[in-house]
Amino acid sequence: DGGITQSPKYLFRKEGQNVTLSCEQNLNHDAMYWYRQDPGQGLRLIYYSQIVNDFQKGDIAEGYSVSREKKESFPLTVTSAQKNPTAFYLCASSSRQGTNYGYTFGSGTRLTVV
Amino acid sequence: SQQGEEDPQALSIQEGENATMNCSYKTSINNLQWYRQNSGRGLVHLILIRSNEREKHSGRLRVTLDTSKKSSSLLITASRAADTASYFCATRIYQAGTALIFGKGTTLSVSS
Repeated sequence: DGGITQSPKYLFRKEGQNVTLSCEQNLNHDAMYWYRQDPGQGLRLIYYSQIVNDFQKGDIAEGYSVSREKKESFPLTVTSAQKNPTAFYLCASSSRQGTNYGYTFGSGTRLTVV
Repeated sequence: SQQGEEDPQALSIQEGENATMNCSYKTSINNLQWYRQNSGRGLVHLILIRSNEREKHSGRLRVTLDTSKKSSSLLITASRAADTASYFCATRIYQAGTALIFGKGTTLSVSS
């Protein structure tokens, strides 16, 4: 079955550590996205990529980095520069050409700073 | 930047009742979408309405769009306990390529 896989489901980070969240899709979608969700804040866009080897900053990109070396993969690194990384992270994908189609979301990664 | 704002923030109803959620947005849009999120899970796409459409139906869902008022509503008819979830509107604005901007959501609780 086609879909998006995020791993791990839960992740714990120590102060000063970089951590990488994985996002893989087998939907043959061109575009992929990372969102952060905090309680009562809805979803905020971190980074998005509409094509391999290209990505754009969203509203809250500071302290995060991404790469898009393969169409199927869009990993997100939470760097030590991100001062408040505890949140629920959601990855999504969509057909770039189909601007009138919805997103497919992964099941999320919950990151906690310990 | 938060493009969409849902209203109410929380809604509690009994099974069988209808639930109406509203969304307002700020700038011109290509389309508006509604998503559902069960607690601790990813979002699921429910319905999309294009900027040149005024109303759309999908099963028990009815979505309206008023571009002159920059607002949309989602109606869930004959609610069930399984409809308990958070509902988000999301807009695709012309300048942002394929990126969606989400609102803060409405939390719906349906009791049996």
